[in-house]
Amino acid sequence: KNQVEQSPQSLIILEGKNCTLQCNYTVSPFSNLRWYKQDTGRGPVSLTIMTFSENTKSNRRYTATLDADTKQSSLHITASQLSDSASYICVVSAAEMIKAAGNKLTFGGGTRVLVKP
Amino acid sequence: NAGVTQTPKFQVLKTGQSMTLQCAQDMNHEYMSWYRQDPGMGLRLIHYSVGAGITDQGEVPNGYNVSRSTTEDFPLRLLSAAPSQTSVYFCASSYNGGDEQYFGPGTRLTVT
Repeated sequence: KNQVEQSPQSLIILEGKNCTLQCNYTVSPFSNLRWYKQDTGRGPVSLTIMTFSENTKSNRRYTATLDADTKQSSLHITASQLSDSASYICVVSAAEMIKAAGNKLTFGGGTRVLVKP
Repeated sequence: NAGVTQTPKFQVLKTGQSMTLQCAQDMNHEYMSWYRQDPGMGLRLIHYSVGAGITDQGEVPNGYNVSRSTTEDFPLRLLSAAPSQTSVYFCASSYNGGDEQYFGPGTRLTVT
């Protein structure tokens, strides 16, 4: 069964500090992995996508890594800001095996980040 | 582009009532889906559609119906509301099922 596990469930950090979120998956066959940011009361928004051949990708102060061998990804937030307070969701997509394949996404439970001044 | 829109934003129902949550997208996406999000449980797929006239069940379909008569609209119907359906509901669309999902702002539903 395809699964995505995220850790920690929640964390509190001081403004300006760094933090790293983890995502372990057992989705097969793997297509891509996305990190979404969900602000309170809003829908999730994509931060970055990682494909099989990519190890590291940065988007402003967010850096995602992917190790396809160990099936692990991380999201590193540098110099955190109050606006980084949100839930971060790891979503793994399975490769399309048949035409018009339906649901291919497996969602992690999310990590809730609270940045304090 | 408005993206993905959902109405209403908030709704309170009594047990046994029925209602329809509306979802529309203007990006010409083929794939649309409905999720519910409960505290500590993450997003769970209710129903999805890979194109007009085609729908399928997700992880938690019981108590919900969907239809897809147009590419733009994907309404979710609660047939007989139960307190267990108290949740936040998100509609999403994408070019195909594995692509970036564009989420609506959500509907917060309370069933008393």
